[in-house]
Amino acid sequence: DAKTTQPPSMDCAEGRAANLPCNHSTISGNEYVYWYRQIHSQGPQYIIHGLKNNETNEMASLIITEDRKSSTLILPHATLRDTAVYYCIVSFSGGYQKVTFGIGTKLQVIP
Amino acid sequence: EAGVTQSPTHLIKTRGQQATLRCSPISGHTSVYWYQQALGLGLQFLLWYDEGEERNRGNFPPRFSGRQFPNYSSELNVNALELEDSALYLCASSLVANTEAFFGQGTRLTVV
Repeated sequence: DAKTTQPPSMDCAEGRAANLPCNHSTISGNEYVYWYRQIHSQGPQYIIHGLKNNETNEMASLIITEDRKSSTLILPHATLRDTAVYYCIVSFSGGYQKVTFGIGTKLQVIP
Repeated sequence: EAGVTQSPTHLIKTRGQQATLRCSPISGHTSVYWYQQALGLGLQFLLWYDEGEERNRGNFPPRFSGRQFPNYSSELNVNALELEDSALYLCASSLVANTEAFFGQGTRLTVV
């Protein structure tokens, strides 16, 4: 069973920030939050991950709440190529054992 | 640097046959993961191999099996194929078991 919940779909105007939420209320202390995206039937692409601190890389920013029960992936300037299904997962430091990616959030970037 | 490669890209089998899917991880990666993605569904964890050993498996029947070779490449075997096995099978690799995983493009298995 997926340990995260995400809205099934979201729209975002091109050039605007896309904020994708994820709830992981049962996350344990040594579980990381990972974000991946999958563009139409391709293999998922790693975006970013974090434990408790906010993280930023060239693709996105990850904001994790202080209680770690939720997080938000931020794409600062969404482009049409960011249209994809975004998956939020939690994973023990011991690996992706039995991690199931839920149905994710289908992000549609609108011109 | 080559990414994770999977073969074949597409595979069509008839019910009751066996299917073999192959995965080559990124050079230096020792962990390999297999996932099944049925149409319109999320990725379901199938198997995890690390250093040649099966470390964990998901809730799939024993006819789903695999192995990891000394060069860390991996093979997924599905015996006695059923129509419901039609799906995209994705392989991922990671440097060690607790780092980000990189996915291949998948093998589309169709059972008719």
